[in-house]
Amino acid sequence: DTGVSQNPRHKITKRGQNVTFRCDPISEHNRLYWYRQTLGQGPEFLTYFQNEAQLEKSRLLSDRFSAERPKGSFSTLEIQRTEQGDSAMYLCASSYSGGSPLHFGNGTRLTVT
Amino acid sequence: EDQVTQSPEALRLQEGESSSLNCSYTVSGLRGLFWYRQDPGKGPEFLFTLYSAGEEKEKERLKATLTKKESFLHITAPKPEDSATYLCAVQAVDQGGSEKLVFGKGTKLTVNP
Repeated sequence: DTGVSQNPRHKITKRGQNVTFRCDPISEHNRLYWYRQTLGQGPEFLTYFQNEAQLEKSRLLSDRFSAERPKGSFSTLEIQRTEQGDSAMYLCASSYSGGSPLHFGNGTRLTVT
Repeated sequence: EDQVTQSPEALRLQEGESSSLNCSYTVSGLRGLFWYRQDPGKGPEFLFTLYSAGEEKEKERLKATLTKKESFLHITAPKPEDSATYLCAVQAVDQGGSEKLVFGKGTKLTVNP
């Protein structure tokens, strides 16, 4: 399977704990995006990488969130001191160039108890 | 700020009953309009990209059209397997280099046999 891969698929954590998600994009894609989606809503943009450079971060991305893409390959999204409001589906997507479609993974569903 | 509004929020059809979904958008300069299909618990699956007013794309029972203010997704003789949430997103021409897609909330389509 050469699609976007996300791990884990599900994560349940207690409030205040740190969590980290991983995304492996399609290998020839140099653009990588993180989105968050809650029930009944469309995906909301969090951050965007071109190769290893993080070029844009949403105002939604508080200080507790950090994303990295070392060497321009896989990416990680870390949430520190999780809150119940962080419960959502975290989606990763990649694309080849500007104007080309984003291809999404199946997401990591985070539940904060 | 770029905005995408989809209507209706939910649509129930009988198998074979054709209909259309609407996506209206406000964007400073449109680089592309994207349609996605999303099944429960999965990431969005790319369907179409439209780049300029008057453009049309077709795939099986789906046809997407674009004007300067809105896009339509026409579903001809739908089948139960077409049941899903259909998401519309826009990518703006941004001198700052932003490549993100801005999504609507989606239309949840249910096709009854």
